[in-house]
Amino acid sequence: NAGVTQTPKFQVLKTGQSMTLQCAQDMNHEYMSWYRQDPGMGLRLIHYSVGAGITDQGEVPNGYNVSRSTTEDFPLRLLSAAPSQTSVYFCASAPSGGRLGQYFGPGTRLTVT
Amino acid sequence: RKEVEQDPGPFNVPEGATVAFNCTYSNSASQSFFWYRQDCRKEPKLLMSVYSSGNEDGRFTAQLNRASQYISLLIRDSKLSDSATYLCVVNHNNNDMRFGAGTRLTVKP
Repeated sequence: NAGVTQTPKFQVLKTGQSMTLQCAQDMNHEYMSWYRQDPGMGLRLIHYSVGAGITDQGEVPNGYNVSRSTTEDFPLRLLSAAPSQTSVYFCASAPSGGRLGQYFGPGTRLTVT
Repeated sequence: RKEVEQDPGPFNVPEGATVAFNCTYSNSASQSFFWYRQDCRKEPKLLMSVYSSGNEDGRFTAQLNRASQYISLLIRDSKLSDSATYLCVVNHNNNDMRFGAGTRLTVKP
């Protein structure tokens, strides 16, 4: 049981490039989410999903797209990277819509130059 | 005003001390409350949920005060391994969870 996995662990992008951060879970959780963590600001919710085919915006969705074609996978796409998107990105999953707490992946450290 | 606010600390305490953190939230309709811990450069890990009647897990006690819209975490008999950042989490609406910026705790020998 791997839990929540994220790839890559580290990534450097140039401004304007696009990329997809991968997230997968093997706990059959319906709820999955993406956060970014910046110094002094805590984790901020980007997008979340309550099941396959259903996604919704969080607090800071601009510049990011998500899709949820399977229960297991919830990729995050950066459409045109900007230096303001330099951050640590965490994916999480949970049973029961997050009301019982979430399990986080190890994170992806992204730098946009 | 931030939706979830915490004192950033740092709290520096000796081993064996009791330490308490508070967290205030702005949405009176919030129903789910949690404390997470996060070690340096690691992912957050769920420490405990916070229930209306208060709850305890070993040396950790969590309380909820709906009238004043705050939750608290009490750590008794602090251990060196308790050194971490403690994150307060409150649901903004059903599935939108909001995190505080965290309170840093250092337990010293």
